Amino acid sequence: NAGVTQTPKFRILKIGQSMTLQCAQDMNHNYMYWYRQDPGMGLKLIYYSVGAGITDKGEVPNGYNVSRSTTEDFPLRLELAAPSQTSVYFCASSHGGQGLYEQYFGPGTRLTVT
Amino acid sequence: TQLLEQSPQFLSIQEGENLTVYCNSSSVFSSLQWYRQEPGEGPVLLVTVVTGGEVKKLKRLTFQFGDARKDSSLHITAAQPGDTGLYLCAGTSGTYKYIFGTGTRLKVLA
Repeated sequence: NAGVTQTPKFRILKIGQSMTLQCAQDMNHNYMYWYRQDPGMGLKLIYYSVGAGITDKGEVPNGYNVSRSTTEDFPLRLELAAPSQTSVYFCASSHGGQGLYEQYFGPGTRLTVT
Repeated sequence: TQLLEQSPQFLSIQEGENLTVYCNSSSVFSSLQWYRQEPGEGPVLLVTVVTGGEVKKLKRLTFQFGDARKDSSLHITAAQPGDTGLYLCAGTSGTYKYIFGTGTRLKVLA
């Protein structure tokens, strides 16, 4: 199993550009999450999904959009990139929810907006 | 808004020393997880605790969930350079949303 994969690994965007961060998992997990991690900080939840077709906002959803058309894929869309979105983005998946299951994290995407 | 504060933020110790990291909140959590993150990688789960007062051991690491389920601690005995990393606690109140702590960056010197 590849686990959770993310592409790209690094990206530099200009202010106002848009991009999609890709996330895929091959563990047949229903639950998927997007987090951002600012330098030296913990992770903040952007969006999460409990199954195909179902998504919901986390702590910091502004400026982002998600979709979940399949169990495997959970892309994160940035519209009109701003310097405040410079961060490392992690995608994660879990077998179940309610804090009882391990979250498996991808290797992250390092995004710089200038 | 639920918050999880970790202390200390940074810790640099010599190999063989013991240390304790704390994760505190004013909110009650139904479960709490501890993760370790190494540079350039995603966090990896160490343990999940769900019962107030619960103690779990993982080799030289001992995790405790507070009786009121508002706090947790991680104790490392005889730290080794391989323990170096960012330690994160994460709690949930029985929903699908995880709140992560601010992190403790540990460096163990050989």
